[in-house]
Amino acid sequence: DTAVSQTPKYLVTQMGNDKSIKCEQNLGHDTMYWYKQDSKKFLKIMFSYNNKELIINETVPNRFSPKSPDKAHLNLHINSLELGDSAVYFCASSQIQGAVGYTFGSGTRLTVV
Amino acid sequence: GDSVTQMEGPVTLSEEAFLTINCTYTATGYPSLFWYVQYPGEGLQLLLKATKADDKGSNKGFEATYRKETTSFHLEKGSVQVSDSAVYFCALSGDTGNQFYFGTGTSLTVIP
Repeated sequence: DTAVSQTPKYLVTQMGNDKSIKCEQNLGHDTMYWYKQDSKKFLKIMFSYNNKELIINETVPNRFSPKSPDKAHLNLHINSLELGDSAVYFCASSQIQGAVGYTFGSGTRLTVV
Repeated sequence: GDSVTQMEGPVTLSEEAFLTINCTYTATGYPSLFWYVQYPGEGLQLLLKATKADDKGSNKGFEATYRKETTSFHLEKGSVQVSDSAVYFCALSGDTGNQFYFGTGTSLTVIP
């Protein structure tokens, strides 16, 4: 019954590795997002994506790339992980781009060592 | 551009105290306004929302009124409980629906 699910919940990896975080929503929403939350709880939009358009926050390094195999999935792939990538990453979805609020996943805590 | 400013925390209250978390916004047009809550170790959950001026959103004893004249959407609760301890985010959706802005979050701790 989980509306927006992300896996894994925790991810510990070494610098330089490549990793992916998966996100799936069963709400039939047409837009999905990735957010990064830092240690001070500040939320930063990374990407928004619907079946027509990918909007990238230009401050996000190109080591981060979203991949959407279909409307219900938006995975986040990260190349060459760095210490500063350690954060909690949240996936979210909405029916219309932001107009009625988002539904969030429970987050993936990434720790780069 | 559109933005949201909320009071900085952390906020610590005793159980049954009155809570106010201030939120003001800057926006063109007629945005929708939201409060989200993040309990420890969890994702953000929609707490309440208001889509037009003078609307009052309410849920779980929390309330917020969309005040266009003061561009505010302050969150209030008359009597907080320990279980209300969380981080609260004010958010705005532009009237075109394609932008969503979060405040910086306010951490609330309620002590018995």
